[in-house]
Amino acid sequence: DAGVTQSPTHLIKTRGQQVTLRCSPKSGHDTVSWYQQALGQGPQFIFQYYEEEERQRGNFPDRFSGHQFPNYSSELNVNALLLGDSALYLCASSWGTGGFADTQYFGPGTRLTVL
Amino acid sequence: LAKTTQPISMDSYEGQEVNITCSHNNIATNDYITWYQQFPSQGPRFIIQGYKTKVTNEVASLFIPADRKSSTLSLPRVSLSDTAVYYCLVGDLEDSNYQLIWGAGTKLIIKP
Repeated sequence: DAGVTQSPTHLIKTRGQQVTLRCSPKSGHDTVSWYQQALGQGPQFIFQYYEEEERQRGNFPDRFSGHQFPNYSSELNVNALLLGDSALYLCASSWGTGGFADTQYFGPGTRLTVL
Repeated sequence: LAKTTQPISMDSYEGQEVNITCSHNNIATNDYITWYQQFPSQGPRFIIQGYKTKVTNEVASLFIPADRKSSTLSLPRVSLSDTAVYYCLVGDLEDSNYQLIWGAGTKLIIKP
């Protein structure tokens, strides 16, 4: 049973560019959450997708957008990249309409470096 | 603001039992307590979850006193591979409108 997968593993971009990160949830999971984790800090919630709609959003600007596909996979898009967007981007999947405290399964993350 | 408070770091030695305590004074009636483990450059991994008293699984135990204002993650006989950051989170399993706030966690270093 494949767990949560993310691609790419590493990415280097320059300021002002746009980036798309991808996530496939664990088999049987229908909810995908995205997190940004800066070095030495805990994950910060970006948004969550359920039934192809954004259900909740954290305190991130509109430059951060996402999408969920019918097969439950998801994309995170970041426009007009800033140096401060450099971080580990984590995708987590869970099942059902439960709350955020429900067990989440995390992928290995995508390390984004903005130069 | 995070609903939990944990020590920033802890050291221990191989073979010892390690207890990490988390304070959550404002825990709500419907909140569960969940612990995650994270290795460098990897996603967090679920360790254990509980509501009250004691929960035990194959890797850890979780002790929750009656007032539920704190909880203690217990790792028996740690090894070097248990060196990681441990996060304590509280939240309502059924509330899809509440966002979990992750603190900085506890950095546990196991020495030989």
